[in-house]
Amino acid sequence: GAGVSQSPSNKVTEKGKDVELRCDPISGHTALYWYRQSLGQGLEFLIYFQGNSAPDKSGLPSDRFSAERTGGSVSTLTIQRTQQEDSAVYLCASSLEVWETQYFGPGTRLLVL
Amino acid sequence: DQQVKQNSPSLSVQEGRISILNCDYTNSMFDYFLWYKKYPAEGPTFLISISSIKDKNEDGRFTVFLNKSAKHLSLHIVPSQPGDSAVYFCAASLDSNYQLIWGAGTKLIIKP
Repeated sequence: GAGVSQSPSNKVTEKGKDVELRCDPISGHTALYWYRQSLGQGLEFLIYFQGNSAPDKSGLPSDRFSAERTGGSVSTLTIQRTQQEDSAVYLCASSLEVWETQYFGPGTRLLVL
Repeated sequence: DQQVKQNSPSLSVQEGRISILNCDYTNSMFDYFLWYKKYPAEGPTFLISISSIKDKNEDGRFTVFLNKSAKHLSLHIVPSQPGDSAVYFCAASLDSNYQLIWGAGTKLIIKP
């Protein structure tokens, strides 16, 4: 079956603009994760959704970042008033249940000029 | 403060030889460790994992060793193949939490 997909694959934006990044998890996966990978760094946990439970937002770096997951499937990560330090690869992963293997999408490479 | 460290940004190994990728961690409470492999323009893919109650886990050509006293994890690939050329990340979790703490990765290059 299809894996995790993300769009766009690349996004260039100007400082101060808002961006929306989309993630389509594997069908039937209840858990969805967002990570950020800055240049030369490991992946940084941002947010986690599990079924209809309240999301774990503990990794979001500032209130400019928000995410939602509609209908337990597609998720959108929104960054408001982007800053240059937001430039990174944003990765989405899903798993059948929490603690199952996480399957990653190819990521969205965000560049804020 | 990096809790999971991969001190070698890159490693070059001859095809057919053993590749050893290392990972050190600082938090003795980590109880689950994973290795992921990443090709360019793709997301990481799960490779192998180990629980802190074990010191070795093997899957085909891949073996992960855990030394809790040294807070050290290693991944052995034997024999190394050209398709193994990728970036390898180690990750750890705390108290069986789903939040993974990741190392910065090691780029493995297999030379023909």
